[in-house]
Amino acid sequence: TQLLEQSPQFLSIQEGENLTVYCNSSSVFSSLQWYRQEPGEGPVLLVTVVTGGEVKKLKRLTFQFGDARKDSSLHITAAQPGDTGLYLCAGRALYNFNKFYFGSGTKLNVKP
Amino acid sequence: DAGVIQSPRHEVTEMGQEVTLRCKPISGHDYLFWYRQTMMRGLELLIYFNNNVPIDDSGMPEDRFSAKMPNASFSTLKIQPSEPRDSAVYFCASSLGLVGEQFFGPGTRLTVL
Repeated sequence: TQLLEQSPQFLSIQEGENLTVYCNSSSVFSSLQWYRQEPGEGPVLLVTVVTGGEVKKLKRLTFQFGDARKDSSLHITAAQPGDTGLYLCAGRALYNFNKFYFGSGTKLNVKP
Repeated sequence: DAGVIQSPRHEVTEMGQEVTLRCKPISGHDYLFWYRQTMMRGLELLIYFNNNVPIDDSGMPEDRFSAKMPNASFSTLKIQPSEPRDSAVYFCASSLGLVGEQFFGPGTRLTVL
């Protein structure tokens, strides 16, 4: 069982559609990060959210940190084929700041 | 600036052999992390160093795994003896500060036959 559970595990959509990916935990996190990983490469940081209820926007991507700091969501508007990849949430649990946990990942495929 | 460099990119070995993975972090970064990624378990933190000193190795799966950081620009992850279940992609990452952005290398894909 992973500390950070992501859903859905797989998502295949058409170009132009909207989608939301969820990252949930029963633990409180001091901060949460979202990464995107492309095949054959390492994860690349997209955003860090720190404050409960915080919303950050990165062009067509909107990230939200839950009020209780136990969950987060990533919303993509008008998805493009370039958004295809593995999306990972990650963070440091409040009870063990030294540990950095990654979520199970959501594999997104955007078809042209 | 060069990113995190890992070598080799691919490694195929036979069960029982020793495997050494190498990492060169970004210059000036004081934290170095080793991760393992598999389909079943996702991305797991194995060990991390601060200023070349191992801080938390609780993620290292067994005594067959060992990691060293002899200086600020080089780290190794060694598996001896290797087993088929060690097959995975191993990533090295570095950061400035514990909570600084982690920059990942391209990974080493290890296959143990």
